[in-house]
Amino acid sequence: QKEVEQDPGPLSVPEGAIVSLNCTYSNSAFQYFMWYRQYSRKGPELLMYTYSSGNKEDGRFTAQVDKSSKYISLFIRDSQPSDSATYLCAMRDSGGSNYKLTFGKGTLLTVNP
Amino acid sequence: KAGVTQTPRYLIKTRGQQVTLSCSPISGHRSVSWYQQTPGQGLQFLFEYFSETQRNKGNFPGRFSGRQFSNSRSEMNVSTLELGDSALYLCASGRSGTGGYSPLHFGNGTRLTVT
Repeated sequence: QKEVEQDPGPLSVPEGAIVSLNCTYSNSAFQYFMWYRQYSRKGPELLMYTYSSGNKEDGRFTAQVDKSSKYISLFIRDSQPSDSATYLCAMRDSGGSNYKLTFGKGTLLTVNP
Repeated sequence: KAGVTQTPRYLIKTRGQQVTLSCSPISGHRSVSWYQQTPGQGLQFLFEYFSETQRNKGNFPGRFSGRQFSNSRSEMNVSTLELGDSALYLCASGRSGTGGYSPLHFGNGTRLTVT
């Protein structure tokens, strides 16, 4: 079993839809949870991060972490064609380096006009 | 402020050759990490350098190596290339190292194709 599992999709939705992206993980030591967005031929860019459990909102994006279920989610409200990209979840434990992240394989999202 | 710069953007090499990839971090960032991205395995951590010292290493064979210079620029080397080394190699930089949270900023990668 991989440490982080993410449904690769592809996921196709109409413009304006609410999108739900999810990851599950097995390592209970993970404390920091991140979502990255990666456009074609580009590097990943950080969207949001959450420490431990709870919700975090930033504009149209909401990140949720449920540590008891080892499950994290990213919700995108009022999705736009510009949101079409691959979304990657990433996580790390509380000790050690900030930069040794474990990633999911990514979900390819297409938002149709 | 310039982002993370990786050169070259594309490389084609033959099996058995070696390759060197270059990364210039964001100004002021002292930590540089390298990741390999493939369709089958996704993003996998290769290694991290901080102040010219390798601080962490992922589960890759010794053919993969790197170094960091005093100006924080980093190079990654892969020797005796194999077909399976074809991938997007991503460099990322950050301000510091341990504890708390500090964002990781990625470059646009070097696409390596091994034939």
